[in-house]
Amino acid sequence: AQTVTQSQPEMSVQEAETVTLSCTYDTSESDYYLFWYKQPPSRQMILVIRQEAYKQQNATENRFSVNFQKAAKSFSLKISDSQLGDAAMYFCAYRSARSGETSGSRLTFGEGTQLTVNP
Amino acid sequence: DGGITQSPKYLFRKEGQNVTLSCEQNLNHDAMYWYRQDPGQGLRLIYYSQIVNDFQKGDIAEGYSVSREKKESFPLTVTSAQKNPTAFYLCASHTGPYTEAFFGQGTRLTVV
Repeated sequence: AQTVTQSQPEMSVQEAETVTLSCTYDTSESDYYLFWYKQPPSRQMILVIRQEAYKQQNATENRFSVNFQKAAKSFSLKISDSQLGDAAMYFCAYRSARSGETSGSRLTFGEGTQLTVNP
Repeated sequence: DGGITQSPKYLFRKEGQNVTLSCEQNLNHDAMYWYRQDPGQGLRLIYYSQIVNDFQKGDIAEGYSVSREKKESFPLTVTSAQKNPTAFYLCASHTGPYTEAFFGQGTRLTVV
């Protein structure tokens, strides 16, 4: 079974600075997808960024980028120019790409990292 | 607008009661999921369904039941067998492995 680990329960960053959230995962599969979700105080889950394992190029979405290290099974999220609205719980998630997988295309989540942005 | 609607937002359960959480989507998604969120534990999968009239247990299915009679609806029943039901429950759906999973706004269940 796949596992996802986020070793930083809490992080803080000054507004306009850069912060990196860590995520490692364990899998025996070669084809999969990785995601970062954001959960603000409203508790609505919002997709931040996604990465296909077969792509070597790191995904970027505006101020958000990832450092995907497949051999190390590491998938960190970098937030540049942090804004007050970035304050939230961030979850790293894994999903198998295998079709017909008996567990379905389930998302396996890490424990989350609570990000505080200081003005 | 398309999306997932969970109701109610807050739910209180007495000891020994069964309660049902509603999840409805108008996104035409085949796959639907129920997750439980507890502090410090991330989201854990309770049940999932990939097609109407079919569903499978997730990691923490004990004390829960579901049905999938319509593509749009995937209600979760928290039975009296669930000994620690106080948690935040999230419903999600998507169309495939790479596609974005859409989440409802959640239901906060509290045992009183």
